[in-house]
Amino acid sequence: DADVTQTPRNRITKTGKRIMLECSQTKGHDRMYWYRQDPGLGLRLIYYSFDVKDINKGEISDGYSVSRQAQAKFSLSLESAIPNQTALYFCATSDAALDTQYFGPGTRLTVL
Amino acid sequence: AQSVTQPDIHITVSEGASLELRCNYSYGATPYLFWYVQSPGQGLQLLLKYFSGDTLVQGIKGFEAEFKRSQSSFNLRKPSVHWSDAAEYFCAVGARTNAGKSTFGDGTTLTVKP
Repeated sequence: DADVTQTPRNRITKTGKRIMLECSQTKGHDRMYWYRQDPGLGLRLIYYSFDVKDINKGEISDGYSVSRQAQAKFSLSLESAIPNQTALYFCATSDAALDTQYFGPGTRLTVL
Repeated sequence: AQSVTQPDIHITVSEGASLELRCNYSYGATPYLFWYVQSPGQGLQLLLKYFSGDTLVQGIKGFEAEFKRSQSSFNLRKPSVHWSDAAEYFCAVGARTNAGKSTFGDGTTLTVKP
């Protein structure tokens, strides 16, 4: 079984809809991250969490919110989706000591 | 602030040829450096990392990278490329002093010609 899972894998939605992307991990890591990937722009950090009670904004948090329901679960929400939020979204975890990140398979989100 | 530059957006090599992907970083102290690979339709997978010690780092799938402090570089190499190496490659820099966050380069897409 995969260590980091994301649901859904693909989603098409309309402008103005609320969307939630979910991430679960079985690695036992405290740190979790949400990134978005756009062609030619690499990965940009949206939010990160170092434990259940510690949530921080990344470089592009506007229009997004997150919830850390448990050590193993970290959800990303788009309260009112807009077309320029069309992207590939990745969840990742890391071991606090080593900082290596382990990525989920990604969620491809299309906002029409 | 830390930053990463991958000067080559796209590289094409023939199968069996050698490969070098460039990465330059900016960071005020000794960085943690990573190379990740992303195969089509998949998430990123760690190839190798440098934290300290020997500046030549060996990774998975026959890749290696060399940390050169004087050049602020961490270039990825492979002596003989296989068709399955076609993917997108990301260099990243992180530091414990930056709350453990990594900054990623924009990526280099590798195409392998038969």
